[in-house]
Amino acid sequence: NAGVTQTPKFQVLKTGQSMTLQCAQDMNHEYMSWYRQDPGMGLRLIHYSVGAGITDQGEVPNGYNVSRSTTEDFPLRLLSAAPSQTSVYFCASSYTGSYGYTFGSGTRLTVV
Amino acid sequence: KNEVEQSPQNLTAQEGEFITINCSYSVGISALHWLQQHPGGGIVSLFMLSSGKKKHGRLIATINIQEKHSSLHITASHPRDSAVYICAVRSNTGNQFYFGTGTSLTVIP
Repeated sequence: NAGVTQTPKFQVLKTGQSMTLQCAQDMNHEYMSWYRQDPGMGLRLIHYSVGAGITDQGEVPNGYNVSRSTTEDFPLRLLSAAPSQTSVYFCASSYTGSYGYTFGSGTRLTVV
Repeated sequence: KNEVEQSPQNLTAQEGEFITINCSYSVGISALHWLQQHPGGGIVSLFMLSSGKKKHGRLIATINIQEKHSSLHITASHPRDSAVYICAVRSNTGNQFYFGTGTSLTVIP
């Protein structure tokens, strides 16, 4: 099925551990992005990419790294998890320009 | 700073009522999106607007670029419309997206 696939759906980490959230899309979308969603706050952009080999920071990039080696994949890395990174993370993709978005199903991350 | 403001934050309606959710923004935009997030957490894109009005079934979205305002209307609301509705804008100066905090809608049978 076409769409955005995020894994894992749930994850518990200890402070200081590292992990990678995976995001893959099969729609040949150029634009991919990562957001975090916290209670009482809107979705906030972490990092985005407008194509393979091109990434840029969003509103809240600290503590996260990304890479875009292929059009399909856009992993988000937490190098040293902190409790402040407890959140729900969404990956989304679209064609560049003013087009609609497709969201992944989200990853609920808890850092203890 | 809140580039996107939504109102109301919470809304309860009786089945069949006409519902309006408002979105105001403060930045120049290339497009405005209305998203729907169901209790399970999944997010679905409902509309993308750069001008005028769009309609899909019982949902209508309008935008006034000069006033920097958009509305989402739901006609003949139904309990299955219960969800959080999120307004998002794409900045016209780059690839940044800004999101409202959402409007939580509950439709009572």
